[in-house]
Amino acid sequence: DIQMTQSPSSLSASSGNRVTITCRASQTISSYLNWYQQKPGKAPKLLIYAASSLQSGVPSRFSGSGSGTDFTLTISGLQPEDFATYYCQQSYNTPRTFGGGTKVEIK
Amino acid sequence: QVQLQESGPGLVKPSDTLSLTCTVSGDSISSYYWSWIRQPPGKGLEWIGHIFYSGSTNYNPSLKSRVTISVDTSKSQFSLKLSSVTAADTAVYYCARGEFTNDVWARFDYWGQGTLVTVSS
Repeated sequence: DIQMTQSPSSLSASSGNRVTITCRASQTISSYLNWYQQKPGKAPKLLIYAASSLQSGVPSRFSGSGSGTDFTLTISGLQPEDFATYYCQQSYNTPRTFGGGTKVEIK
Repeated sequence: QVQLQESGPGLVKPSDTLSLTCTVSGDSISSYYWSWIRQPPGKGLEWIGHIFYSGSTNYNPSLKSRVTISVDTSKSQFSLKLSSVTAADTAVYYCARGEFTNDVWARFDYWGQGTLVTVSS
């Protein structure tokens, strides 16, 4: 299985801040990397697919980059509704695997 | 708008079989992959497996010996059976839509709201 490692596991930030979350795969996965946002008690929501493609309806302050083994999710100008847990997920092969999550909290 | 809704018992006894159904509305179940994903309380996400509308399946090796996923296209439903459950199988279970056939960029773009299944006697 491909292991996905996210860092940090949690962070505190203020509204308006720029936030960067990293995800590392245990082997190369080309650009087969997705990002999700999950709020408490809710299902995950797809933000970014294919490493850098913005899912329809997702605000442009979310962006993704990277290829191979190292990826980043950037939130430019954190909004109150962005406080949540973020997960990366590889779709290079099966079993599909997720990172452990990064919780973004209010500072 | 595509909608997915999980249904099934919220409490299952140890050693019994967990059974859930996902009903898809708003779009055809055909030509897509359909997945089950679970999340133990306070923990991360685990992919259980998926099924193509034609019936072909792929399971997580960690659960493969206990999992069966099936599809009923006439009812726009797909189902999960997990046998010999233990307390470690207590989780919120989600159904989700995967990629369209021949789409190389696999992702889960629509999810059900999730259903908590507790394994306890």
